[in-house]
Amino acid sequence: AQTVTQSQPEMSVQEAETVTLSCTYDTSENNYYLFWYKQPPSRQMILVIRQEAYKQQNATENRFSVNFQKAAKSFSLKISDSQLGDTAMYFCAFTQAGTSGTYKYIFGTGTRLKVLA
Amino acid sequence: DSGVTQTPKHLITATGQRVTLRCSPRSGDLSVYWYQQSLDQGLQFLIQYYNGEERAKGNILERFSAQQFPDLHSELNLSSLELGDSALYFCASSVGIGAGTYEQYFGPGTRLTVT
Repeated sequence: AQTVTQSQPEMSVQEAETVTLSCTYDTSENNYYLFWYKQPPSRQMILVIRQEAYKQQNATENRFSVNFQKAAKSFSLKISDSQLGDTAMYFCAFTQAGTSGTYKYIFGTGTRLKVLA
Repeated sequence: DSGVTQTPKHLITATGQRVTLRCSPRSGDLSVYWYQQSLDQGLQFLIQYYNGEERAKGNILERFSAQQFPDLHSELNLSSLELGDSALYFCASSVGIGAGTYEQYFGPGTRLTVT
């Protein structure tokens, strides 16, 4: 069965600094997608960044970038120039095609990030 | 605002009861997904519908059921409620069905409290 592991329950970073959140996953498939979602105190789920497993190039969205290591099954999120608004719970998520064209989504347990002024 | 609406926002009910959560996807989205988030935990994928048909099932209990109607809104029915069913229930929608190809837009969630 596929699993997603986030080993850092809580992290903190100073404003304007850089922080990296870790995520590892387990799958025997070759074609899949990985995501990072942000959940601020409002509880709204917001997609931060997406990575296709077949793409070797790491995805980047403004201050957010990933380090995708397919062989190691690692998918870390780097936040540069951290801002107070980045304070949130961050979830790593995985999806791949199941049988008969079905798709199951698996989320990690999350990392609570606090940006300090 | 993601464009996905969920009602009600909060729901308090007693054990053994039945409730219905409603979700309206973004205009043009054909896929609807339901997730359960228990206190301080990650999201558990429950079920996905595409254009009225069930397409993927996660860890959904037999006491739970869902459907997607012709106007594409979806309902999640929870019956014989237990204390452990207390959670935030999210609905998400996307344009298509391809895994990861289409971004999921999440609604604000329905907070269910079972007493």
